[in-house]
Amino acid sequence: DGGITQSPKYLFRKEGQNVTLSCEQNLNHDAMYWYRQDPGQGLRLIYYSQIVNDFQKGDIAEGYSVSREKKESFPLTVTSAQKNPTAFYLCASSIGGGGYNEQFFGPGTRLTVL
Amino acid sequence: AQSVTQLGSHVSVSEGALVLLRCNYSSSVPPYLFWYVQYPNQGLQLLLKYTTGATLVKGINGFEAEFKKSETSFHLTKPSAHMSDAAEYFCAVLNGYIPTFGRGTSLIVHP
Repeated sequence: DGGITQSPKYLFRKEGQNVTLSCEQNLNHDAMYWYRQDPGQGLRLIYYSQIVNDFQKGDIAEGYSVSREKKESFPLTVTSAQKNPTAFYLCASSIGGGGYNEQFFGPGTRLTVL
Repeated sequence: AQSVTQLGSHVSVSEGALVLLRCNYSSSVPPYLFWYVQYPNQGLQLLLKYTTGATLVKGINGFEAEFKKSETSFHLTKPSAHMSDAAEYFCAVLNGYIPTFGRGTSLIVHP
């Protein structure tokens, strides 16, 4: 079955640690996205990538970093510079190519800072 | 620029009653519009989308939405609510690479 996987489902981090959230898709989509979700605030865009080896900052990129070395993978690193990282993180993909296409979402990773 | 407003952070209905979730958008060009549903601790799933053509769009699980350009609205409806419809619903507008999401409406269904 085609889809998007995120791991781990739950992640606990101590203050001052960097952590990396995994996102993999086998939909052959060009575009991939990372969102942060906090209660009552909807989805806020962290980073997005339209093509391999290229990515752009979203609205709340500070304290986060990404890479896009392979088409199917778009890992997100939450660095110690992110002051309030406890949130639900969603990865998404779309066909891309400039078309107006819907996004497909992974199941999410819930990050808690201890 | 584009934006989305979802009226009401929470909507409560009885099982079997009409569901109406409101979405208004602003867009400088004709938009593509989407409704997504999110169940607790899960990702979002596409309910339906409007691109071009027929303004009444039917989606999964008995939901439908009507694009009204004059009112800049794309409200989501379902004739009869079911307990399994309890979830968070997000409206989104797209006129480029990046969609803009509303803040979401939590649908509560009472037995």
